[in-house]
Amino acid sequence: SYELTQPPSLSVSPGQTASITCSGDKLGDKYACWYQQRPGQSPVLVIYQDNKRPSGIPERFSGSNSGNTATLTISGTQAMDEADYYCQAWDSSTVVFGGGTQLTVL
Amino acid sequence: QLQLQESGPGLVKPSETLSLTCNVSGGSISSSSYYWGWIRQPPGKGLEWIGSTSYSGGTYYNPSLKSRVTMSVDTSKNQVSLKLSSVTAADTAMYYCARLFRVVVIKSYYFDYWGQGTLVTVSS
Repeated sequence: SYELTQPPSLSVSPGQTASITCSGDKLGDKYACWYQQRPGQSPVLVIYQDNKRPSGIPERFSGSNSGNTATLTISGTQAMDEADYYCQAWDSSTVVFGGGTQLTVL
Repeated sequence: QLQLQESGPGLVKPSETLSLTCNVSGGSISSSSYYWGWIRQPPGKGLEWIGSTSYSGGTYYNPSLKSRVTMSVDTSKNQVSLKLSSVTAADTAMYYCARLFRVVVIKSYYFDYWGQGTLVTVSS
């Protein structure tokens, strides 16, 4: 079965850029999306189709996908961006989630 | 604005069947662009996709759960249902209902609306 691998945790200082990676075999040949999940809340879609932002998602969120790695980039990270982030792709008629990355802003 | 609301028993006994309902409001459940999915999250852990279904009966299931899962859509009630049989403590989780947006020609699939989730505990 297809697997997506994310680093378990990442720390960033306020105002800096956070880059969260998601690795999978030939992931660049698929579309990746990203969800943000704040503590005690439901996941929220922040990037779809590799680099598109849904309405209401701040411009500081961007995405890319090439080769075996998709990346979620948060520019000018704010305290409110502290959350768990999950990548997701579609493979062989199944939804696949990455294990999640806990982003700490300190 | 589309809203999804999960409901069902918060406590289920081992070996029994977990049954949940997702009520969809603010939009139609009948569209070929959407499937309706269930995702679960054990306490302190990551997201696990259970499966997705459409109003026309199409289904996609997580292979690891497929033998125990049944999903369906009731268009008259705008509801999606989930049944998970032979539950164990490992099925204790927050269960989310979400809309799976599909762009089939480019194989783009993502969940654009989520419910608030319902916590199900499996215990005797």
